[in-house]
Amino acid sequence: DAGVTQSPTHLIKTRGQQVTLRCSPKSGHDTVSWYQQALGQGPQFIFQYYEEEERQRGNFPDRFSGHQFPNYSSELNVNALLLGDSALYLCASSLYRDTIYFGEGSWLTVV
Amino acid sequence: QKEVEQNSGPLSVPEGAIASLNCTYSDRGSQSFFWYRQYSGKSPELIMFIYSNGDKEDGRFTAQLNKASQYVSLLIRDSQPSDSATYLCAASGSSNYKLTFGKGTLLTVNP
Repeated sequence: DAGVTQSPTHLIKTRGQQVTLRCSPKSGHDTVSWYQQALGQGPQFIFQYYEEEERQRGNFPDRFSGHQFPNYSSELNVNALLLGDSALYLCASSLYRDTIYFGEGSWLTVV
Repeated sequence: QKEVEQNSGPLSVPEGAIASLNCTYSDRGSQSFFWYRQYSGKSPELIMFIYSNGDKEDGRFTAQLNKASQYVSLLIRDSQPSDSATYLCAASGSSNYKLTFGKGTLLTVNP
């Protein structure tokens, strides 16, 4: 049973560019959440998708947007990249409130 | 601002000792509490969750929850060098799967 898979693993972008990160949830999970983890900090909630709708959003600007597809996979898009967007981006999938699992993450470096 | 606070650490214990990790939360509406282990450069790995007052044991790990004091802890018995990692405490509400994380506590187990 595959766990949560994310791609790409690492990427480097230039300020002002746009990036798309992808996530496939664990089999049977229907809810996908995205988190940003800066170095030395705990993960910060970006938003959550359920039934292809954004169900909840954290304190992130509109430059951060997302999408969930009918097969429950999800994308995170970040426009107009800033140096401060450099972080580990984590996807978490869940079915129930007590089964929340993270993927390996996507390391984004903005130069 | 709903916050989760963890003892800042770093925490260093000898091999075989009990490691005690602590966490407090500000939102009384929080219902579920999670402990994740994160090795350097890796994504968080779920250790266990708890949502009832009292203790919950899983192998060498025991989570303790005191909702009146808004306090959660994780005890690791017979600590091993492989337990050396950052431990993240997280809380979620009753109607969503959003996790609010603390900054983490770095644990080092010395052989």
